[in-house]
Amino acid sequence: GAVVSQHPSRVICKSGTSVKIECRSLDFQATTMFWYRQFPKQSLMLMATSNEGSKATYEQGVEKDKFLINHASLTLSTLTVTSAHPEDSSFYICSARDLGFSGGKGYTFGSGTRLTVV
Amino acid sequence: RKEVEQDPGPFNVPEGATVAFNCTYSNSASQSFFWYRQDCRKEPKLLMSVYSSGNEDGRFTAQLNRASQYISLLIRDSKLSDSATYLCVVNDNYGQNFVFGPGTRLSVLP
Repeated sequence: GAVVSQHPSRVICKSGTSVKIECRSLDFQATTMFWYRQFPKQSLMLMATSNEGSKATYEQGVEKDKFLINHASLTLSTLTVTSAHPEDSSFYICSARDLGFSGGKGYTFGSGTRLTVV
Repeated sequence: RKEVEQDPGPFNVPEGATVAFNCTYSNSASQSFFWYRQDCRKEPKLLMSVYSSGNEDGRFTAQLNRASQYISLLIRDSKLSDSATYLCVVNDNYGQNFVFGPGTRLSVLP
């Protein structure tokens, strides 16, 4: 089945620095990838939809200048958390859709990145 | 009102018990429905899709009631390995936007 690779799995950074998270579709092409954020004991919240070759679509309340998304190829989307602050500490997960499968089977999640900003 | 609502639990049940989770959604135009399972600090994984006629996969049975806008998941003969958070997921736009419920936490006890 479809595999999505996400790196790094865990990162600790200092406040004010930037962190890049990569999401790769390994055996399929993904024109669209999704970035989610999950705070402890809360649901996954969609942050933005990443579109290959065009600008990402951000959900209401998500700062596009803080969470930079680049989807330069059909297999790679990156999320950069700029000037990270402790409140950005969270679990970030990407997902991508393999059009070769229908419905929920087509959606695969990366393994997630646990970001801790100190 | 939240788009997708679930009882957060936790549901603590003994091994072998039958447990049921419900989920309600607010958008009557929702097209497709799923149950995902998420283990602690891991990514969600698809458990099963939910079809209008109801569907079963081994010990798991999913039901959809469009008129009442709720979805259910029944787990029979629960195992220790079933302990996880179960996420109700609603898709509004033929595969574009997934809306996740907050999840229901299940602990199966020995």
